[in-house]
Amino acid sequence: AQSVTQLGSHVSVSEGALVLLRCNYSSSVPPYLFWYVQYPNQGLQLLLKYTSAATLVKGINGFEAEFKKSETSFHLTKPSAHMSDAAEYFCAPHGGSQGNLIFGKGTKLSVKP
Amino acid sequence: GAGVSQSPSNKVTEKGKDVELRCDPISGHTALYWYRQSLGQGLEFLIYFQGNSAPDKSGLPSDRFSAERTGGSVSTLTIQRTQQEDSAVYLCASSYPPGGAGGYTFGSGTRLTVV
Repeated sequence: AQSVTQLGSHVSVSEGALVLLRCNYSSSVPPYLFWYVQYPNQGLQLLLKYTSAATLVKGINGFEAEFKKSETSFHLTKPSAHMSDAAEYFCAPHGGSQGNLIFGKGTKLSVKP
Repeated sequence: GAGVSQSPSNKVTEKGKDVELRCDPISGHTALYWYRQSLGQGLEFLIYFQGNSAPDKSGLPSDRFSAERTGGSVSTLTIQRTQQEDSAVYLCASSYPPGGAGGYTFGSGTRLTVV
């Protein structure tokens, strides 16, 4: 069965610094991979998705993620953090035959002025 | 509707009481999912409805939990004889095409507190 690991439950960066949030899926290649963002007291919002058309995927708010099959990774990056990026981020590979998304435990991003 | 609607947004209940949580998905979305979000635990899959197929109930934590979806649209998650460990945010999502290939659209959730 598909599984996912998000390294680091909490990441803190300074405003303007690079954001790197790590995600590794299990060895079976998922057909689709997603990143979601959750702002305080809100539901989850789709940030970007990988559907095998291109390994580098661009999402909203300047975020992007690169699918690396050899590393079973789908890390999320943003070149320059903004205060408004403070939120919790979830990586979610599709479970394949399971028919649903498998969510990681999330990484809470803090941005310092 | 324009988005996934969940009600109530907050629910406080006494231990042992039954609760019903409602989800109204986006019109035309054939798939509907329930997840539970507890502090520090990420999102836990509960149940998945797809069209008229039998639901995937593999994530329901106990037989106190049940869900139904009427007419392929609105869904109700019922928790009987609530326990304190049921306290969490319950999130509903819908998707099209089936299977979540396009990603989910989530509601804002119902925060359940069992006292």
